[in-house]
Amino acid sequence: GIQVEQSPPDLILQEGANSTLRCNFSDSVNNLQWFHQNPWGQLINLFYIPSGTKQNGRLSATTVATERYSLLYISSSQTTDSGVYFCAVGGIRNTGNQFYFGTGTSLTVIP
Amino acid sequence: ETGVTQSPTHLIKTRGQQVTLRCSSQSGHNTVSWYQQALGQGPQFIFQYYREEENGRGNFPPRFSGLQFPNYSSELNVNALELDDSALYLCASSGRGSKNTQYFGPGTRLTVL
Repeated sequence: GIQVEQSPPDLILQEGANSTLRCNFSDSVNNLQWFHQNPWGQLINLFYIPSGTKQNGRLSATTVATERYSLLYISSSQTTDSGVYFCAVGGIRNTGNQFYFGTGTSLTVIP
Repeated sequence: ETGVTQSPTHLIKTRGQQVTLRCSSQSGHNTVSWYQQALGQGPQFIFQYYREEENGRGNFPPRFSGLQFPNYSSELNVNALELDDSALYLCASSGRGSKNTQYFGPGTRLTVL
């Protein structure tokens, strides 16, 4: 099956720092989403980005579909950015509507 | 526009029992997917329902089953509970097709003793 790898697995930042999270996937996809999971388990949509670049406030994301990776940028980090960030991919041939998640990046922002 | 809701929030069962989890999809969405998230891992796809029929299944045994109702809400049923079934169960709603954004509910945390 498809492999979805995220790096780094853990990240500790000082408030105000910038960071880049990476997601590599092993097959062609037509759906890629980034999520933030808060401490209560809620998965919050950040971006739907199967290709190209999007920005939303301090967050931006880029997916290079031909090279099978996506990047999530967090600028001027805040303590509320803490949590686990997941990328998930779907629309892979012969897998129907399965959505595959990476193992996540756990981010801790300290004041 | 209402979001995805799930019930109950928490549940404790003993090994061998059966459990039913419920999910109401976001308005305008006709597809519901269920995921299992064990502690420290990413969510794993269980199955998806579209128009009351199963529309894809992950690597889970038949004791995991589901239903979707005409209003697109859904149930996840797990029979003969095992200790390893302890997890956060998430449901997501979307439009049909793999290119649609999935929106997740808050989850049900199941503990099997």
